[in-house]
Amino acid sequence: DQQVKQNSPSLSVQEGRISILNCDYTNSMFDYFLWYKKYPAEGPTFLISISSIKDKNEDGRFTVFLNKSAKHLSLHIVPSQPGDSAVYFCAASETSGANSKLTFGKGITLSVRP
Amino acid sequence: DTAVSQTPKYLVTQMGNDKSIKCEQNLGHDTMYWYKQDSKKFLKIMFSYNNKELIINETVPNRFSPKSPDKAHLNLHINSLELGDSAVYFCASSQDTINQPQHFGDGTRLSIL
Repeated sequence: DQQVKQNSPSLSVQEGRISILNCDYTNSMFDYFLWYKKYPAEGPTFLISISSIKDKNEDGRFTVFLNKSAKHLSLHIVPSQPGDSAVYFCAASETSGANSKLTFGKGITLSVRP
Repeated sequence: DTAVSQTPKYLVTQMGNDKSIKCEQNLGHDTMYWYKQDSKKFLKIMFSYNNKELIINETVPNRFSPKSPDKAHLNLHINSLELGDSAVYFCASSQDTINQPQHFGDGTRLSIL
């Protein structure tokens, strides 16, 4: 049972435009969310995170929005650059226990066209 | 000066063999993890160690045995390899166990013939 869902397998955008990557989750206990970026033959690289006490977190060109009532988060990249082309993973964890673990989505392949 | 390094990068072996994958982090982190990325591309946690102590052990066959000689190293030994073990295995580390980003190695692609 997938608790973190990235329903769109791929997204293609023009350089300079906004990329919006979506993620849905089913576990209402999740309270910490992260986005990772992955290039081929490399490990995932941490991009940005958000705690459930916030609804927005921004870091340069990257902004994550969290809608707890809808159990939905999104990553906005603006302006998109060709170097942003990669697979983006959404991940979530719950911190109620002593040891939180990350649950990952399947990933979205972003292609930014020059 | 790679932060999380794992070796080997590629591992091709026969069914039934025993193999090990090594992982080292130089970030001074207390917690280390092993993940498996299967053919469906999901990254799933297998194990987590905090200060050399096992804290997460997901439903993984006991043919998989992690070993943490110190908090900078977490190795994965796999006995009696099966076809279904073919996957990419990622090591990761984080400062502690709660709400901290995890830093990943580049993965070990294991192929069972």
